[in-house]
Amino acid sequence: EVQLLESGGALVQPGGSLRLSCAASGFSFGNYPMNWVRQAPGKGLEWVAIISGNGGTAFYADSVKGRFTISRDNSKDTVYLQMNSLRAGDTGIYYCAKVTTTMSTPLDPWGQGTLVTVSS
Amino acid sequence: SYVLTQPPSVSVAPGKTATITCGGDNIGSRSVHWYQQKPGQAPVLVISYDNDRPSGLPGRFSGSNSGDTASLTISRVEAGDEADYYCQVWYSGSVVFGTGTKVTVL
Repeated sequence: EVQLLESGGALVQPGGSLRLSCAASGFSFGNYPMNWVRQAPGKGLEWVAIISGNGGTAFYADSVKGRFTISRDNSKDTVYLQMNSLRAGDTGIYYCAKVTTTMSTPLDPWGQGTLVTVSS
Repeated sequence: SYVLTQPPSVSVAPGKTATITCGGDNIGSRSVHWYQQKPGQAPVLVISYDNDRPSGLPGRFSGSNSGDTASLTISRVEAGDEADYYCQVWYSGSVVFGTGTKVTVL
């Protein structure tokens, strides 16, 4: 069974940094691109970033480009999201999600999410 | 950027049919995927590639996609179908989600 477990969410001050982790199990991790998707309180889904299976290619939403970095360690079956220069608008639940095959394919499954709160 | 527009809400009586639309420029030329999100839970894929159902998903869920509109149809609606639903496409190196539709079962 595929499992994704996010961690690292916390309360952080504006301008601060945070690193999220997503530990994967139940599949050949290095063969699959991985996504981060976030959801502000009471709002819809917003895609954040995607990284290829070997980590060589990554794409970002315009709203986080230059502030967030997605990376992965295939020896640890873990994908990360380094978040810098955090703003109040970055508050929300952050989900990691596996793609079904390649980058352009559906997101399935999703982890349960980790909460990031940016506030002073 | 590519915008996907969904109605904010759809209300339906039990046993009836709910249709959720997803509008986008020439969306019929793209593969559309749909996710269901119940309160306090992570999203779950319910339809992929316009009209493919994951194994185990009830046949009451179906999709279509043509022109500028994709649709998710839920037949014989049950109380357990009450949730938020999001469409999604891949566009120019990014994942794009629709604005989301809250389905309320009356």
